[in-house]
Amino acid sequence: NAGVMQNPRHLVRRRGQEARLRCSPMKGHSHVYWYRQLPEEGLKFMVYLQKENIIDESGMPKERFSAEFPKEGPSILRIQQVVRGDSAAYFCASSPPNRGGTGELFFGEGSRLTVL
Amino acid sequence: QQQVKQSPQSLIVQKGGISIINCAYENTAFDYFPWYQQFPGKGPALLIAIRPDVSEKKEGRFTISFNKSAKQFSLHIMDSQPGDSATYFCAATTGNTGKLIFGQGTTLQVKP
Repeated sequence: NAGVMQNPRHLVRRRGQEARLRCSPMKGHSHVYWYRQLPEEGLKFMVYLQKENIIDESGMPKERFSAEFPKEGPSILRIQQVVRGDSAAYFCASSPPNRGGTGELFFGEGSRLTVL
Repeated sequence: QQQVKQSPQSLIVQKGGISIINCAYENTAFDYFPWYQQFPGKGPALLIAIRPDVSEKKEGRFTISFNKSAKQFSLHIMDSQPGDSATYFCAATTGNTGKLIFGQGTTLQVKP
């Protein structure tokens, strides 16, 4: 059973470009979460999605950031007009139905975004 | 209110020693407290977790102690090994969202 798959693992963008990060949850998991880890800091919750629904986006910056989890295909975190402060590791996590509330999230290996 | 404070920031322990990491929280609505282990370049992995109705949980060399009245919980790693060298995060969550509030992390180095 493959784990949470994230790609790309590393992404370099220049200021003003767009970054798209993809996440395929574990098989059988229908809940997806995105977290951001800035250098030397802990992980910060960004958004929680189920198929075709955003459940909680309280951690998402109000501008330039968006997330989706379509009926078919991976979840995508999109960052428009990137700035240097967006440089971070972005982690996706998934959980099966009815287990997300226990805190048992399964994390991918992350996508490391560098903005030049 | 939503913060989880973790200490120490870094820890060096000799092989065979006990590693202790502490966390404190304010929000009494938190109802689940997991610990995650992260190796460099990897994602966090669930290590052990506890609910507030239990004062202690042990899994192998890893033990969580929970003090509900003090709103504190800690991770003890017995017989620490060099392979335990990693960053450890405590976390807390409430409700059914799976939204984790993480501590700042503790970088553990176990010297051989």
